[in-house]
Parts: sequence; C-alpha cells; structure tokens
Amino acid sequence: SQQGEEDPQALSIQEGENATMNCSYKTSINNLQWYRQNSGRGLVHLILIRSNEREKHSGRLRVTLDTSKKSSSLLITASRAADTASYFCATVLRGTSGSRLTFGEGTQLTVNP
Amino acid sequence: GAVVSQHPSWVICKSGTSVKIECRSLDFQATTMFWYRQFPKQSLMLMATSNEGSKATYEQGVEKDKFLINHASLTLSTLTVTSAHPEDSSFYICSAWDSGPDTQYFGPGTRLTVL
Repeated sequence: SQQGEEDPQALSIQEGENATMNCSYKTSINNLQWYRQNSGRGLVHLILIRSNEREKHSGRLRVTLDTSKKSSSLLITASRAADTASYFCATVLRGTSGSRLTFGEGTQLTVNP
Repeated sequence: GAVVSQHPSWVICKSGTSVKIECRSLDFQATTMFWYRQFPKQSLMLMATSNEGSKATYEQGVEKDKFLINHASLTLSTLTVTSAHPEDSSFYICSAWDSGPDTQYFGPGTRLTVL
C-alpha cells in the first residue's frame, strides 16, 4: 500500500505563479525523491533530498523535508505551461537489494498559459 | 542520466492470452529491477522486486503465477502477464537500480489493454 499522501490532489494555476505540493509519510526513510510524470509516460526524476537535509534547490525547484513531521514539500517557482504534469513524492528505504520506493498519491498540476 | 527501455510501449491482446514485457537497462548493469502497475489517475503500485539470478519478491496481493518475472541477465528483466483478463489492463512501468549512484531509473512504461 502507498504510505505517502499528497495534497492537493489537483492544482490549477496561471503561468508565472508558484506551485506548492505537499507530501506526508508514515515510516522512517533514507531519503525522499520527487518525480514528474507526463500523461501516459514514464517517470522523470526531479530531485532527491536526504533524511539529514532540510532544504534543497535545483533550478526552479525547491524541496523541503521535515522528518519530525514526516512531511516534504515541492515548490515550483515561475511556473510554465510545460510544467503541467503529475508530480509524485517517493520515500526511499534502503535494503540489501536496492532502494525500495514507495510512492505518494500524486498531485496533478495544470499550468494555464 | 541512465536509460531504461521497455518493449513494447503498448499492446492490445485478447482475454486469455499471455503478454511479455521487457525491461532493459541500456548503459549500466542492474542487479535489481522493479515492476510497478499504475491504473488511470492513480499512483504507482510496486508489484515485485526482480533480482538477477534469483526468484522475484512479490508484494502482498500480487499473484506470482499470474505475473511471471524473469531476470536472467544484468540488463534484462521480463514480466509475463499470463492468461490476461480485462482487469489486468493497466500501465506497467519498470525501473532499474543503479547501485553506483543508488538511483532507480524508470522505463517509459507499457500500456496493456486486454479485450
């Protein structure tokens, strides 16, 4: 079962605005990752934040992690129509056979031109 | 980043037939690959973990005799949906774990439609 919950489930904004998506989880993690998925396509890895990090930036993306609250947020600044996609957080628990990803329910972002 | 391919990208089959989906890591060796299923407007659900040279580990509720996984080489894992039924129609996505950067790379997915 999915341990992550994301909110909002859907978000519609205008180009140029910022978009914030939140993710909560239940168990301990090694790190947390954010992915993007265009409709009917595979996943694209956006950013990874380790359990001992609180904030990370990559271009227009900013991710925060609060392990005490078991939550993370993804901020996309100055959004573009091309940012329209589903965004998933995935918690990572490292095992002997690789890192197991558990995905959140996802946020459908629509950026209107 | 590393490239993972899946073949076919889409398949339509009749109920009762078996369908094989291939997942290949193109520029790295993957001792572990993962198979996910995604229903429309839902998240990815892990089906099984495929380990090269050993039996796959299936998640609770996933029938191992229904979804046969073979990971015969370090660059190829296959998922065979046996005796497919319309309820098996879904988007199947694989990922391959690259131990170097400790990162999973995802394939583009396979859309299965069972009539």
